[in-house]
Amino acid sequence: DVKVTQSSRYLVKRTGEKVFLECVQDMDHENMFWYRQDPGLGLRLIYFSYDVKMKEKGDIPEGYSVSREKKERFSLILESASTNQTSMYLCASRPRRGSYEQYFGPGTRLTVT
Amino acid sequence: GQNIDQPTEMTATEGAIVQINCTYQTSGFNGLFWYQQHAGEAPTFLSYNVLDGLEEKGRFSSFLSRSKGYSYLLLKELQMKDSASYLCAGPKAAGNKLTFGGGTRVLVKP
Repeated sequence: DVKVTQSSRYLVKRTGEKVFLECVQDMDHENMFWYRQDPGLGLRLIYFSYDVKMKEKGDIPEGYSVSREKKERFSLILESASTNQTSMYLCASRPRRGSYEQYFGPGTRLTVT
Repeated sequence: GQNIDQPTEMTATEGAIVQINCTYQTSGFNGLFWYQQHAGEAPTFLSYNVLDGLEEKGRFSSFLSRSKGYSYLLLKELQMKDSASYLCAGPKAAGNKLTFGGGTRVLVKP
């Protein structure tokens, strides 16, 4: 079974704090993704990585950065958290070849106060 | 804005059938995914249609018409546990990006 884990299920941070969201997958997948999910807007891609140290902006990268130092781990960084970054954050992975299916982690609900 | 459209919410009765429609711009997507997401949980894969036609998988079926930019997910013999959000998503030709619709929240009533 593919397993994608995220470091926290719930997180509360203050405006201006630096926030790290961690994602780990155990299936040796090359591709990893960070989405945020908001009511009525669905899942929107923030960043993705197609290999170690490789990254590409998604549809809404502003205010975020990412790090992929090891194949199994993909981190999302909020340099200076703002209240409009309160959201559900979902990580996903998939292999480079084969099905386009993405495997999702359980999500981190981040609240910025 | 979204390239993929689906209804926001649907309500149906236990044992009935519900059809969730998804429309999208015809260019750029290499097939269509359906995911199920229970409240507070991760989306889980239901189906992927890359060719036109109907694919059946137990109580769930998914249909795709690429020329019309149209897909639907059919849920038969509804059970209470089917209450969830259903997300349609299209992969770009390169496969690395999925574009999601806003999700359809299905409420199954006794």
